[in-house]
Amino acid sequence: DGGITQSPKYLFRKEGQNVTLSCEQNLNHDAMYWYRQDPGQGLRLIYYSQIVNDFQKGDIAEGYSVSREKKESFPLTVTSAQKNPTAFYLCASSPPSGRRYEQFFGPGTRLTVL
Amino acid sequence: AQSVTQLGSHVSVSEGALVLLRCNYSSSVPPYLFWYVQYPNQGLQLLLKYTSAATLVKGINGFEAEFKKSETSFHLTKPSAHMSDAAEYFCAVSDDSSWGKLQFGAGTQVVVTP
Repeated sequence: DGGITQSPKYLFRKEGQNVTLSCEQNLNHDAMYWYRQDPGQGLRLIYYSQIVNDFQKGDIAEGYSVSREKKESFPLTVTSAQKNPTAFYLCASSPPSGRRYEQFFGPGTRLTVL
Repeated sequence: AQSVTQLGSHVSVSEGALVLLRCNYSSSVPPYLFWYVQYPNQGLQLLLKYTSAATLVKGINGFEAEFKKSETSFHLTKPSAHMSDAAEYFCAVSDDSSWGKLQFGAGTQVVVTP
């Protein structure tokens, strides 16, 4: 079955450590996105990539970094510069614009900083 | 710039009663509108979308929404609530100027009482 996988589902990190969240899709989608979800705030865009080897900052990119070396993969690194990293992180992808920007979501990773 | 306002962060409905979730958007160009549902600790699932075809859109699980340009609204309804409808619901907007990015509302938590 095609879909988006995120790993791990739960992640614990000590303050001052960098951590990388995995996102893989086998839908052959060009565009991929990373969102952060906090209670009562909806989803906020961290980074997005429309094509391999290219990505752009979203609304809250500070303290995060990404790479897009393969079409299937879009890992997110939460760096020690991110002041409040505890949150639920969602990865998404979307097909070419003929689908009018519908996004497909992975199951999410819950990151807790101890 | 796009924006989405969801009226009511929490809605409580009785089983069998009408579900009505309100969404108003702001967009300077014709919008594409989406409703997503999220169950606890899971990713988002698309309920329905408006992409400039019929203004009354039917989705999964008995939900539907009506696009009203004059009111800049895209309210979500279901005639009869089931216990399984308890979840968080997000309205989102995109358009041809946003490069596929979605702008999400803050979400509405639905509680269904017996």
